[in-house]
Amino acid sequence: KNQVEQSPQSLIILEGKNCTLQCNYTVSPFSNLRWYKQDTGRGPVSLTIMTFSENTKSNGRYTATLDADTKQSSLHITASQLSDSASYICVVNKLGRDDKIIFGKGTRLHILP
Amino acid sequence: GAGVSQSPRYKVTKRGQDVALRCDPISGHVSLYWYRQALGQGPEFLTYFNYEAQQDKSGLPNDRFSAERPEGSISTLTIQRTEQRDSAMYRCASSRSTSEYNEQFFGPGTRLTVL
Repeated sequence: KNQVEQSPQSLIILEGKNCTLQCNYTVSPFSNLRWYKQDTGRGPVSLTIMTFSENTKSNGRYTATLDADTKQSSLHITASQLSDSASYICVVNKLGRDDKIIFGKGTRLHILP
Repeated sequence: GAGVSQSPRYKVTKRGQDVALRCDPISGHVSLYWYRQALGQGPEFLTYFNYEAQQDKSGLPNDRFSAERPEGSISTLTIQRTEQRDSAMYRCASSRSTSEYNEQFFGPGTRLTVL
């Protein structure tokens, strides 16, 4: 069954600290994996996309990793800011004509001043 | 336009009524997606179109839900005989091409409340 599981469900950290969000998937065949940031009341916005051959990709203070063998991805946020408070959603695309997009439930991140 | 737009932004209806939700994708975008999002959850895929063709409607929960995109641009998601469990945020997204590598741009959503 094609699934995307994220952990933790929610996370609270102090401003300036680092954190890592996890995404495990069982989607096959795998095409690509995206991390989206969704601010409260807004639509998701893409942070990174990773394909099978990519292990790590950075976007400012966000660094995503992918281990296609273990089917795990992580999103690391460095030196967190209050504006990082949002939901972070892992989305996996299934390869091929049967174009499936599977969303994780997201991790709700709260940054405290 | 500058982004994906949806209307109405809020819709309150009585159980049993039909509702039609509209999505205006970014101009020129080929693919259009519909999602439903419960509070605190990630979006749940409903259906998507390439041009005017509905490619996958496996996410539609039941036959009360339908979608169309007759001219390959604006799309309408229709829910017939609404039920309270249909209450959710309905989001539309569009992407430049049919490639699964293309980023989806999301609209602001329509908050549907069924009383």
